[in-house]
Amino acid sequence: NAGVTQTPKFQVLKTGQSMTLQCAQDMNHEYMSWYRQDPGMGLRLIHYSVGAGITDQGEVPNGYNVSRSTTEDFPLRLLSAAPSQTSVYFCASSYRGETQYFGPGTRLLVL
Amino acid sequence: AQSVTQLDSQVPVFEEAPVELRCNYSSSVSVYLFWYVQYPNQGLQLLLKYLSGSTLVESINGFEAEFNKSQTSFHLRKPSVHISDTAEYFCAVATGFQKLVFGTGTRLLVSP
Repeated sequence: NAGVTQTPKFQVLKTGQSMTLQCAQDMNHEYMSWYRQDPGMGLRLIHYSVGAGITDQGEVPNGYNVSRSTTEDFPLRLLSAAPSQTSVYFCASSYRGETQYFGPGTRLLVL
Repeated sequence: AQSVTQLDSQVPVFEEAPVELRCNYSSSVSVYLFWYVQYPNQGLQLLLKYLSGSTLVESINGFEAEFNKSQTSFHLRKPSVHISDTAEYFCAVATGFQKLVFGTGTRLLVSP
């Protein structure tokens, strides 16, 4: 049981490039979320999903897209990276939402 | 909308001393409350949670937190800290099943 996995662990992008951050969980959780963590700001919700085919926006969705085609996977796409998207990104999953299990994070640097 | 305030960005403490990390929240409806811990270069782990019932909740490693509805607080306490408790601690609130709102975090620094 691997829990929540995220790839890559670290990524450097140039402004304007696109990329997809991968997130997978093997706990059959319906709920999945993406957060970004910035110094002094805690974690902020980007997008979340309550099941396959259902996604919704969180607090800071601009510049990010998500889709949920399977229960296991919840990728986060940056269509045109900007320096303001330099951050640490965490994916989380939960059974009903009250206890979220976090992945190890992806550190993204946009130059 | 809900919000969480963690007034202390950093709390230095000596080993074996008691500690309290403060958390206040704002919400017009009933809430679930959480404390998560983040060790260096790791993801967040759930430390303890209040969903309903007893207002005093405990973790397996000696932390406890008390839900105080009148003061809208959920402070985290430990009577005697260890070096290994050095980490960043996040308070979070949720009204539904999915949208967690986090505080800005408190870095606990335990020194010998």
